[in-house]
Amino acid sequence: KQEVTQIPAALSVPEGENLVLNCSFTDSAIYNLQWFRQDPGKGLTSLLLIQSSQREQTSGRLNASLDKSSGRSTLYIAASQPGDSATYLCAVQGGSEKLVFGKGTKLTVNP
Amino acid sequence: EAGVTQFPSHSVIEKGQTVTLRCDPISGHDNLYWYRRVMGKEIKFLLHFVKESKQDESGMPNNRFLAERTGGTYSTLKVQPAELEDSGVYFCASSRDRLNTEAFFGQGTRLTVV
Repeated sequence: KQEVTQIPAALSVPEGENLVLNCSFTDSAIYNLQWFRQDPGKGLTSLLLIQSSQREQTSGRLNASLDKSSGRSTLYIAASQPGDSATYLCAVQGGSEKLVFGKGTKLTVNP
Repeated sequence: EAGVTQFPSHSVIEKGQTVTLRCDPISGHDNLYWYRRVMGKEIKFLLHFVKESKQDESGMPNNRFLAERTGGTYSTLKVQPAELEDSGVYFCASSRDRLNTEAFFGQGTRLTVV
């Protein structure tokens, strides 16, 4: 049974700092991994999707890496801004086609 | 392009009542998913439709939950009768393909059973 763990559960940083969010999964037989952002009371917004054959994906100040064999992914946020404050969720898609989520990391960027 | 929309955004019902949640996926997305987040837990899969057919309903908690997708367009999720433990946020998502395409989520329906 696939399990996804995200560390840390919460993170508070000053504006401008570079930061890394971690995600690990127990079953390496995945098709892809997605990072989402959730703002309070809102739905999930897809940030990046990394297919199993890829090592990383970049979008603006975000960079996500994937090490499928070790069951790990990181989301790197450069030059953080207060608007980046949100909960970041990691999810993997395997053969069953459903997404399996971690509990998320709540990020607060202080001005 | 309109995103995934869910109705209602909030619902408060009494134990034993019936509630129906609705999801309108992105036009042209054959794949529609229901997920749920209960307090303090991670988001968990409930059900997957491909067009109007149920592809996987292994996450449905019990037979009080019934999902339909009429004509392969919008979907409804009915809870009858509702129990206290059904409280949570119900998310709908849609995707163009079954694998390796982004899943787009609605804003969720917050269900409170009192």
